[in-house]
Amino acid sequence: GENVEQHPSTLSVQEGDSAVIKCTYSDSASNYFPWYKQELGKRPQLIIDIRSNVGEKKDQRIAVTLNKTAKHFSLHITETQPEDSAVYFCADPDTGRRALTFGSGTRLQVQP
Amino acid sequence: ETGVTQSPTHLIKTRGQQVTLRCSSQSGHNTVSWYQQALGQGPQFIFQYYREEENGRGNFPPRFSGLQFPNYSSELNVNALELDDSALYLCASSLEGREVGTGELFFGEGSRLTVL
Repeated sequence: GENVEQHPSTLSVQEGDSAVIKCTYSDSASNYFPWYKQELGKRPQLIIDIRSNVGEKKDQRIAVTLNKTAKHFSLHITETQPEDSAVYFCADPDTGRRALTFGSGTRLQVQP
Repeated sequence: ETGVTQSPTHLIKTRGQQVTLRCSSQSGHNTVSWYQQALGQGPQFIFQYYREEENGRGNFPPRFSGLQFPNYSSELNVNALELDDSALYLCASSLEGREVGTGELFFGEGSRLTVL
């Protein structure tokens, strides 16, 4: 949980296209990888998470994939809609400090 | 089920002043964490409280302090305010189990602090 890098910082897609956001982490002991969505002026909310014992998890149009060897995990949004426009944060736990370390965020803009 | 509520929603202070922010955790949650979110950045961990004790701390100076009460509500206090303290302060409650940091955080709407 010491360092989480997130890319890209901004992403613009056309409605109906797919969007992919990637995060890399440094702590090989990390075992939990959530994604939070924060709409403008709103609170961050968990949209999907994955634990280290699986490689992929899907929930309707969103999915998260995990590559523990390469230490990265990605958020995939298919058939994007304007309401998907928000800032997305990845995170991983810093169990030593009992916290989540968040990435710097990706601002996704879905153009209608 | 009541969600996480924070007060005040907005406030303006001047350098050197002190501020207290308040948070009521979600019903049934025993753990409260505070995060600072600067404009355009991800939330940065300040500290966590569990059973009325500080349970973990991020890279923030001692002038950032807190409390947790028996009903699990919490306060964040910041002394000697600096311009860089201007940010959105988010409170998040959770129900921590054995695997710390692997439970969902339920955030409040935040308190936006402006320091002039």
